[in-house]
Amino acid sequence: DVKVTQSSRYLVKRTGEKVFLECVQDMDHENMFWYRQDPGLGLRLIYFSYDVKMKEKGDIPEGYSVSREKKERFSLILESASTNQTSMYLCASSLSQGNQPQHFGDGTRLSIL
Amino acid sequence: ILNVEQSPQSLHVQEGDSTNFTCSFPSSNFYALHWYRWETAKSPEALFVMTLNGDEKKKGRISATLNTKEGYSYLYIKGSQPEDSATYLCAFPRGSTLGRLYFGRGTQLTVWP
Repeated sequence: DVKVTQSSRYLVKRTGEKVFLECVQDMDHENMFWYRQDPGLGLRLIYFSYDVKMKEKGDIPEGYSVSREKKERFSLILESASTNQTSMYLCASSLSQGNQPQHFGDGTRLSIL
Repeated sequence: ILNVEQSPQSLHVQEGDSTNFTCSFPSSNFYALHWYRWETAKSPEALFVMTLNGDEKKKGRISATLNTKEGYSYLYIKGSQPEDSATYLCAFPRGSTLGRLYFGRGTQLTVWP
């Protein structure tokens, strides 16, 4: 079974802090994704990566950056956390084709105070 | 931005009832259609990936059909149980990076005992 592991289940940070969310997958998937989920808005894509060091912006990239130095790890960075970034963050991975399912981590509930 | 529409937004049924809900998507340049189940406090889990017009897939009491010409898919749950309570998401890959999915906002199903 595919395992997608997010480093923290719950995280509390302060406004202005630099925040790192880490995600690791163990199935050699090419694609990795970061989403945020907010009530009434569904899953919104922040960034995705289709290969090491390759990234593309999703629908809501503002205030975020990402890093993919190794195939199995995809990091989401909040450069200067703000209260409107309080949310549930989900990482996912998949093989490269669109007919392959995405496999999700358990999510990180991030609160910015 | 691609619109994937799901209806209804929420649904409440009694244990034992059968239910169904809809995912609508643009029918042009169809590649695949994904269904996911997202239970509270868990991560989204892939149910089906459908690629052929007229395709029907089944997993236990859950089944899905696909009409790519008119751009819709139905998800059916036969004899709903409380453990079926979840948000059901559909998603659609589009564009040059086919691994990227556009998610609908989901149908939230509650099954009362």
